[in-house]
Amino acid sequence: GIQVEQSPPDLILQEGANSTLRCNFSDSVNNLQWFHQNPWGQLINLFYIPSGTKQNGRLSATTVATERYSLLYISSSQTTDSGVYFCAVREETSGSRLTFGEGTQLTVNP
Amino acid sequence: KAGVTQTPRYLIKTRGQQVTLSCSPISGHRSVSWYQQTPGQGLQFLFEYFSETQRNKGNFPGRFSGRQFSNSRSEMNVSTLELGDSALYLCASSLSGRTGIFEKLFFGSGTQLSVL
Repeated sequence: GIQVEQSPPDLILQEGANSTLRCNFSDSVNNLQWFHQNPWGQLINLFYIPSGTKQNGRLSATTVATERYSLLYISSSQTTDSGVYFCAVREETSGSRLTFGEGTQLTVNP
Repeated sequence: KAGVTQTPRYLIKTRGQQVTLSCSPISGHRSVSWYQQTPGQGLQFLFEYFSETQRNKGNFPGRFSGRQFSNSRSEMNVSTLELGDSALYLCASSLSGRTGIFEKLFFGSGTQLSVL
């Protein structure tokens, strides 16, 4: 099956700093989503981005499908951005199944 | 519009028992998927239901089963619980889950299962 690798595994920032999270995947995908898992365990959908670039406030994401990677940018980070960020992909042949990366644990200190 | 609702939020069971978890999808969503999250294995796909039929299944033993009702609500069942089944079980819903179609997955807050 498809492999999804996220980096870095852990990231510690001071409030106000910018960061870039990376997601590499090993095969063609037709669905790529970024999620933020809050301290209560809920996965919040940040972006659906199988290709191209999208922005939502301080967050933006870029996926280069031909090179099999996606980037999540967080600007002017806030303590509420802390949590685990997951990249998840759906292979073209996997139906509805999403394969998740291992996540990036982000800690933003005041 | 209400989000994905999972009950119960927490559950404590002992080895050998069985457990049933419930998931109510967003109104109008017909696809329900289940995922298991553990510190060691991360997030892993269990199965997906659409129109009361299992459409996709992950690599889990037969002790893990599920079903979907005509109103799209879903339940998953784990029989003969093992210590390793302790995990956060997450349910997600989408409109149809069709391959190649733009569709976001919306997750519930999960059920934290502890097996003692």
